[in-house]
Order: sequence, then C-alpha cells, then structure tokens
Amino acid sequence: QKEVEQDPGPLSVPEGAIVSLNCTYSNSAFQYFMWYRQYSRKGPELLMYTYSSGNKEDGRFTAQVDKSSKYISLFIRDSQPSDSATYLCAMSASTGANNLFFGTGTRLTVIP
Amino acid sequence: EAGVAQSPRYKIIEKRQSVAFWCNPISGHATLYWYQQILGQGPKLLIQFQNNGVVDDSQLPKDRFSAERLKGVDSTLKIQPAKLEDSAVYLCASSLSTVAGELFFGEGSRLTVL
Repeated sequence: QKEVEQDPGPLSVPEGAIVSLNCTYSNSAFQYFMWYRQYSRKGPELLMYTYSSGNKEDGRFTAQVDKSSKYISLFIRDSQPSDSATYLCAMSASTGANNLFFGTGTRLTVIP
Repeated sequence: EAGVAQSPRYKIIEKRQSVAFWCNPISGHATLYWYQQILGQGPKLLIQFQNNGVVDDSQLPKDRFSAERLKGVDSTLKIQPAKLEDSAVYLCASSLSTVAGELFFGEGSRLTVL
C-alpha cells in the first residue's frame, strides 16, 4: 500500500465550478499536510500548508484535514482557467523534508 | 528575488551515457534537495543537503547516481551510466528552514534516455 493515494484524474470542470481534490494516507504519524500546484513543464509551487487537523482558507482555496479518517482535501471555489494545473498533495511526519511524501497528482482543467 | 535555477532544461542521451544537471538555489537557502519525478508520479526525494553536508541520500541509487554541493551553494547531480528507467524530470528545490513542506522548486531538467 502506498503511503499517499491520490486520484490522478484527469478532472475537467467548467469555469466557476467548485473543485474538490482529495488524498488519503496510511501513516497516522503524518502531521504536516501540503498542497502543491504544478503547471505544465514547471516545478511545483506551494499552495497551502496545514498542520494537524482542521481547515485553512486562503482566498478561493480551502484546505481540509481529517486525521481520524486519514483524508485531506483541497477545495477551489469559483474556479478559473488559470487554475488548470496538476495538484499534488504532500505530507510529512516531521519537520524534515526528507520525510515528505507526495501523491501522484491530480490533473485539473478548467474550461472557459 | 530570483528563483531556483536549473540547467539544462532538456537532455536526450542514449543508455549507458552520462549526464550532469546543475542547480543554483535561492540565495541564503541552506537546504537543497534533488527530486526525481517520473511521468504520472509525484516527486521522489533523491538527496538532501544541509549546507554542503548530506542529510539524506537513502533513496539515491549510488551505483549510478552521485551528487555534490560544493561550498554549500550550487549543486550538481550526475548519472553514469544512464538507464532507460532514468527518464524523468529532475527537480531541484531549496528551503530557508527545515520546516516540512516549505520548498521552492526549480523548473526541472527533463531527461530522456533512449
């Protein structure tokens, strides 16, 4: 079983839709949860960072962590064509990035 | 602020040949990472440096891969000899602290091994 599971998609939505991206994990020691956005032929960029359980909101983006279910989500409200990218979840049990586990990424396309 | 610089962006080689990738991290970032991202997969850590010392190279195939970070700034990742399964994007990242997840990635070096 992989440490982190993520539906690879692809996911296509119309502009303005609410998007839900999800990851599940098996290691209950994970405490740090991240979402990275990766545009085509670019490196990943950190989008959201959450410690432990709960919600975090930043503009149109909301990250949600449910440690009891080992499930994390990223919601995008009022999706825009510029949101078209691959979204990678990542998580770690400690502060060292050598323990950072990435999902496979979900490819999102927002259609104008 | 300049980002993480990587070169070359693209490289095509034949199997058993050698290749080297270069990375210049963000100024002042003590921690540098090399990740391998195979098509359709998430990045996988190959090696992590703190200044010019190795923190973790447990997933680096040391029979063919090597990396160094001289003077604690630039870094080079070398593959010799290359195999078909080494075809991937090699991402360099740097961070100011060791807080999990706060990594700044370069655009990557895309390697195709024929």
